[in-house]
Amino acid sequence: QQQVRQSPQSLTVWEGGTTVLTCSYEDSTFNYFPWYQQFPGEGPALLISILSVSDKKEDGRFTTFFNKREKKLSLHIIDSQPGDSATYFCAASAGSFNKLTFGAGTRLAVCP
Amino acid sequence: ETAVFQTPNYHVTQVGNEVSFNCKQTLGHDTMYWYKQDSKKLLKIMFSYNNKQLIVNETVPRRFSPQSSDKAHLNLRIKSVEPEDSAVYLCASSLRTGGPSQNTLYFGAGTRLSVL
Repeated sequence: QQQVRQSPQSLTVWEGGTTVLTCSYEDSTFNYFPWYQQFPGEGPALLISILSVSDKKEDGRFTTFFNKREKKLSLHIIDSQPGDSATYFCAASAGSFNKLTFGAGTRLAVCP
Repeated sequence: ETAVFQTPNYHVTQVGNEVSFNCKQTLGHDTMYWYKQDSKKLLKIMFSYNNKQLIVNETVPRRFSPQSSDKAHLNLRIKSVEPEDSAVYLCASSLRTGGPSQNTLYFGAGTRLSVL
């Protein structure tokens, strides 16, 4: 049972373009949604996160949007750069880390 | 800057052997974890260890066991490896379990296990 679904599985964008990754979840008790970025040969690292009391959080070129009614969130990357090429994981928890659930990831390739 | 150190980077072994992976964090965090990442990049939590309290994911086979000497170290032992154990094993730490701001995970680079 996949509680956190990500789409697309993989994505290719041109340098300078906008990347949009989406995530949906089923458990209505989830209230914390981090996005992790993983480069080849490295472990995932926190990129940005949002709590369910907010609908938008921005950090530089990265913005995450949250829609509680539709149980969806998205990650937007503006002015995408080749250095953004990585796998992006959406995750969710109901407050306790021990129940952090990861999506299957989206592999992003940004072509120069 | 790496603050969660895992050894070895790679390990190749045969079915039935015992393996052990090491993890050390220098962040002063209270909680450490082991995750398994399969060939499709799926991340599954295996164990979390906080103040000597072990929380086990019930889907983890009994041949896996975590070992901790102090809060900065959490090793993983696999008693008799199976082919399906081939994966990347990621160690992580967090400040503590509690509110979201304290739960940011800091991952190591992983140990890639290949079982022949």
